[in-house]
Amino acid sequence: DAKTTQPPSMDCAEGRAANLPCNHSTISGNEYVYWYRQIHSQGPQYIIHGLKNNETNEMASLIITEDRKSSTLILPHATLRDTAVYYCIVRPSTTSGTYKYIFGTGTRLKVLA
Amino acid sequence: GAVVSQHPSRVICKSGTSVKIECRSLDFQATTMFWYRQFPKQSLMLMATSNEGSKATYEQGVEKDKFLINHASLTLSTLTVTSAHPEDSSFYICSAPGFNGNTIYFGEGSWLTVV
Repeated sequence: DAKTTQPPSMDCAEGRAANLPCNHSTISGNEYVYWYRQIHSQGPQYIIHGLKNNETNEMASLIITEDRKSSTLILPHATLRDTAVYYCIVRPSTTSGTYKYIFGTGTRLKVLA
Repeated sequence: GAVVSQHPSRVICKSGTSVKIECRSLDFQATTMFWYRQFPKQSLMLMATSNEGSKATYEQGVEKDKFLINHASLTLSTLTVTSAHPEDSSFYICSAPGFNGNTIYFGEGSWLTVV
């Protein structure tokens, strides 16, 4: 079973920040938080990941609470092309990369013009 | 650009026939790949873990004789849907750990329609 819970859907006005929450209250100390998104009829696209510090890249920012039981993905200036299903996933860190991803239901983000 | 490629992107087959979907890692080796299926408006469901040089590991409830997985090289895994039925129609997606092993990349997906 997925170890994350997310709201099923959200709307966001174009140009505004989209804040997508994720609860992972049973996360273990060695588990990372990953975010992917899936645009209709495509494979999931990697966005960002983090362990306990906040992270930022060219796509988004990831804010992880101090107790690590929840996180928020922030798209600073949402565009219509950001309309997608966003998945929050937790998995252990391993250099072998053999741990599988278990997807939850995700959040369907709709960016409105 | 894509680091994991799937082929074909769309395929239609007749009931009772078999269809093969390929998943390739581009410019890197993948000893492990993962196969998912996704029905419309649902999340991805992990089917199996493909292991280079050994048998695949199937998730509970997935029929190994129906969904044959072969990982014959370090850059190629194949999923064969045998004796396909209309209920096998779905979006099939593969993934592989990236260069540093920490991020997993997904293929573009393959739409299978069984008629």
